[in-house]
Amino acid sequence: DAGVIQSPRHEVTEMGQEVTLRCKPISGHDYLFWYRQTMMRGLELLIYFNNNVPIDDSGMPEDRFSAKMPNASFSTLKIQPSEPRDSAVYFCASSFKRGFRGLAGKNEQFFGPGTRLTVL
Amino acid sequence: DAKTTQPPSMDCAEGRAANLPCNHSTISGNEYVYWYRQIHSQGPQYIIHGLKNNETNEMASLIITEDRKSSTLILPHATLRDTAVYYCIVRVDLGNQFYFGTGTSLTVIP
Repeated sequence: DAGVIQSPRHEVTEMGQEVTLRCKPISGHDYLFWYRQTMMRGLELLIYFNNNVPIDDSGMPEDRFSAKMPNASFSTLKIQPSEPRDSAVYFCASSFKRGFRGLAGKNEQFFGPGTRLTVL
Repeated sequence: DAKTTQPPSMDCAEGRAANLPCNHSTISGNEYVYWYRQIHSQGPQYIIHGLKNNETNEMASLIITEDRKSSTLILPHATLRDTAVYYCIVRVDLGNQFYFGTGTSLTVIP
């Protein structure tokens, strides 16, 4: 398997422009997560999906951010309009329940390589 | 989820064991301890997890104290490629979110 795929790897845009980040999870995984990483705030969970349905979007910073998962193999994170403070590395991760050992399974999250976004 | 406390940075000599501590004094009985690491410019990578018992895999060992208020990740023979930020996370297994703290930046010195 190719792992989690993200595109583009780098994006440079001007303030006010729309930005769309893309993610293809590992085939068979039913959870998908979007994270943002900055020096100031570290790695933050923005939103996650289960079976293509958004479960928790409490980490989405504001209405300028939206995420969709139209099918099991594709998700987008959109910022409209973008602002310089949105500059960060955005990671996508996927996972699935691996079954149970005692109370719980492994639930390992596999991360993509990230998209480095720069908003000028 | 319980919060964790880790030292911001540590050094370790190549070939020696690296022992990374983590405090999670408010951990609940159904919360697991997970360790991830992030090598520069890459996405985080799973290392190991545990509930009560000590765990070992091909990458590392996890030692959890009897009261579960702290744990130690052990890399038995650190190499230069182990230089990374190591995150200790506690979470309820039935939940799926991970909340990463600031982690420990480990530098393996030749």
